[in-house]
Amino acid sequence: ETGVTQTPRHLVMGMTNKKSLKCEQHLGHNAMYWYKQSAKKPLELMFVYNFKEQTENNSVPSRFSPECPNSSHLFLHLHTLQPEDSALYLCASSQDYELSGEKLFFGSGTQLSVL
Amino acid sequence: GQNIDQPTEMTATEGAIVQINCTYQTSGFNGLFWYQQHAGEAPTFLSYNVLDGLEEKGRFSSFLSRSKGYSYLLLKELQMKDSASYLCAVTDSNYQLIWGAGTKLIIKP
Repeated sequence: ETGVTQTPRHLVMGMTNKKSLKCEQHLGHNAMYWYKQSAKKPLELMFVYNFKEQTENNSVPSRFSPECPNSSHLFLHLHTLQPEDSALYLCASSQDYELSGEKLFFGSGTQLSVL
Repeated sequence: GQNIDQPTEMTATEGAIVQINCTYQTSGFNGLFWYQQHAGEAPTFLSYNVLDGLEEKGRFSSFLSRSKGYSYLLLKELQMKDSASYLCAVTDSNYQLIWGAGTKLIIKP
């Protein structure tokens, strides 16, 4: 049991659609992350929230918009995506941020296909 | 630039031993992680090394040499359920996680 739940598991959307990914962690952690995982590529960090405050935005296009209403919930709002945005989107949490040895707990991800 | 290298794919036989290597070039070093990811599932933590040497945890062991920028994950008595991708990640001097592309391990009967 990872303690991190993501919905939906699969999503197909057109380039003009607007959709949202949801993540919830039940571990009492202070930091939450969005990662993008493409086939045969390293995990790409998109956003980090520490104590509900955004601390990282790794040059992510504005068509991806994160929201963190509290320490347990994280959303990724999607609009006017491109086909190259098709990937597995993983949410993760950790007890704290930017500490040595801080392991991540991942959700199962949302497999996104943009048509 | 920062870089993590690991083989793309490896094949091994059930009951055997396999070693998955990871080499890294990063700005500083604050620890190395191994994660396991079954297809369609969440990556899960396997091990963390910050000092040189071997850490053993059941059938899995992880080794680190900081001077060589090198680590390996050793899996013994392989089982079919060990078929998965294994991700190597290094924490740099700014505590940013640098990820490898993962090694897909295929176990054959």
